Amino acid sequence: QVQLVQSGAEVKRPGSSVKVSCKASRGTFSSYSISWVRQAPGQGLEWMGRIIPIFGTTNCAQKFQGRVTLTADESTSTAYMELSSLRSEDTAVYYCARTPSVVPPLLSDRDYWFFDLWGRGTLVTVSS
Amino acid sequence: DIQMTQSPSSLSASVGDRVTITCRASQGISNYLAWFQQKPGKAPKSLIYAASSLQSGVPSKFSGSGSGTDFTLTISSLQPEDFATYYCQQYHSYPFTFGPGTKVDIK
Repeated sequence: QVQLVQSGAEVKRPGSSVKVSCKASRGTFSSYSISWVRQAPGQGLEWMGRIIPIFGTTNCAQKFQGRVTLTADESTSTAYMELSSLRSEDTAVYYCARTPSVVPPLLSDRDYWFFDLWGRGTLVTVSS
Repeated sequence: DIQMTQSPSSLSASVGDRVTITCRASQGISNYLAWFQQKPGKAPKSLIYAASSLQSGVPSKFSGSGSGTDFTLTISSLQPEDFATYYCQQYHSYPFTFGPGTKVDIK
């Protein structure tokens, strides 16, 4: 069964950057997209953005534009989320989530934009 | 951005109860609506997509309905493992947005 394996917890200073990885345990990224969702302590879920690795296209929430960089390495089936200029409010668990596997032309079809699999999350703590 | 609201924000129920959670979108999203279950300290689990389609492996006690702006998630007979927080999410347009969650706990 495919899993999304995320990198370990991080502690960062304000103003620095963090890069979180999300690796598919089996298969490749060529047939689905990866979104990043975060959850601050005791709060709800917040979508940050997504990448379609086979197309190299990204969409990000305006709130994070200029601070978040989404990339993917298809050769290792690993997606990355880098968040810069960290502040205390960025302390959260960061999740990657995958859409179902479809043939590439359907990746642009809204019918297949739902998530079917989540990573376990990566805790990022921003503290001086 | 499309705003998602949920009601109630929390509810107390007993094992065996039928539970219904409502989700409303600030504009029409057709059926591009998903539901997730999250337990404390765990990642969300996908339950329903396209408003009413069950994810693989999700028991049939969960059901979803609705279209446009109003949606519901129903748990037909609440079991101990169902006590959790439930979120709706629209994937009609960017940015994808989630409801604030509904916490279901034991009465």
